[in-house]
Amino acid sequence: DGGITQSPKYLFRKEGQNVTLSCEQNLNHDAMYWYRQDPGQGLRLIYYSQIVNDFQKGDIAEGYSVSREKKESFPLTVTSAQKNPTAFYLCASRLTAGSSYEQYFGPGTRLTVT
Amino acid sequence: AQSVTQLDSQVPVFEEAPVELRCNYSSSVSVYLFWYVQYPNQGLQLLLKYLSGSTLVKGINGFEAEFNKSQTSFHLRKPSVHISDTAEYFCAVGETGANNLFFGTGTRLTVIP
Repeated sequence: DGGITQSPKYLFRKEGQNVTLSCEQNLNHDAMYWYRQDPGQGLRLIYYSQIVNDFQKGDIAEGYSVSREKKESFPLTVTSAQKNPTAFYLCASRLTAGSSYEQYFGPGTRLTVT
Repeated sequence: AQSVTQLDSQVPVFEEAPVELRCNYSSSVSVYLFWYVQYPNQGLQLLLKYLSGSTLVKGINGFEAEFNKSQTSFHLRKPSVHISDTAEYFCAVGETGANNLFFGTGTRLTVIP
């Protein structure tokens, strides 16, 4: 079964700790994305990557970092510099060839920082 | 600048009644449009998409949407809703050649028995 996996589903951390959220896809998609979702605010783009070893900041990149060492994987690190990290985080991917444009989403990780 | 507006944050509707969820966008170039559905604590699932061609597009679960270029709208409709349609619905817009999608703030549809 092809798809996107995010682990863990729920994550709890103490304030001041860095935490890494996993995102893996076996769809052979080129592009991968990280979004943050807060109630009433929709999805906001954190980072995206079109190819391995390259990524770009989205609208709310401050306090986050990413890496793209493999096509299948795009982990997101929430650093202690992120002022309000508690949120639902969604990973997505897309095939850049052709004209589909749609993004496929993982099941999400709910991060709670106390 | 591109933006997406979902005018209704919450829409309650009785079971078997019709529903319309509104989406308006602003863009100066050609766009492609999507509706996604999200059930609680899950990711987003594609309902339907408009890339080109016929302005009326049909999706999964009996939903359809109509692209209206002059009104820059892409409203989602279903003639008869079910309890299982209770979820949050997101409209998304992308520009041809661009890498990203812009999402609206979502509409929470609640179907009342």
